[in-house]
Amino acid sequence: DTGVSQDPRHKITKRGQNVTFRCDPISEHNRLYWYRQTLGQGPEFLTYFQNEAQLEKSRLLSDRFSAERPKGSFSTLEIQRTEQGDSAMYLCASSSRQGGNYGYTFGSGTRLTVV
Amino acid sequence: AQSVTQLDSQVPVFEEAPVELRCNYSSSVSVYLFWYVQYPNQGLQLLLKYLSGSTLVESINGFEAEFNKSQTSFHLRKPSVHISDTAEYFCAVNTASGNTPLVFGKGTRLSVIA
Repeated sequence: DTGVSQDPRHKITKRGQNVTFRCDPISEHNRLYWYRQTLGQGPEFLTYFQNEAQLEKSRLLSDRFSAERPKGSFSTLEIQRTEQGDSAMYLCASSSRQGGNYGYTFGSGTRLTVV
Repeated sequence: AQSVTQLDSQVPVFEEAPVELRCNYSSSVSVYLFWYVQYPNQGLQLLLKYLSGSTLVESINGFEAEFNKSQTSFHLRKPSVHISDTAEYFCAVNTASGNTPLVFGKGTRLSVIA
């Protein structure tokens, strides 16, 4: 068990470009979450999956954002036509309800800077 | 919907002094409560959690938190802090069903001064 992995760690992109982030959860965790964290704020929920099904999306997730989790394993988060306001840390977490353990395990995040 | 309020954005404290980081939550249903810690340039790490049972929960590094239902609080305490405790601390809540995503507070930056 290597924990939750996120790639890349850092991404600098020009406004208007598309970016894609990847998250590899803990293998036995069936739930996967995406959060966004801006400076001085707590993580804000974006979306989550149970296996391959996307169960909930936040209103923060505009039409330019899309997330997938094919085959219930890794997940990708794509942002199209990036804007400066998209600059943030994007955090991925996974969890399992087995054993009554509801704590999330977070990855180290992908820091996006839109210039 | 659930919400979390962390009353202090920054807490400076001298090394070996006690500290309390305050957290209040709002929910119309039973909740689970968590404290996470974030060190610079790292992801969040679970510090401790309250699911049920004893209202006083402890972490392996000396932190403790007490669930107070009547005051809707889950304050984090440590009797003697170390320089290494300097970090951002986040309180989080979700429903006891576990079917809603965690909702986080805005965080409290703990700065331990030598």
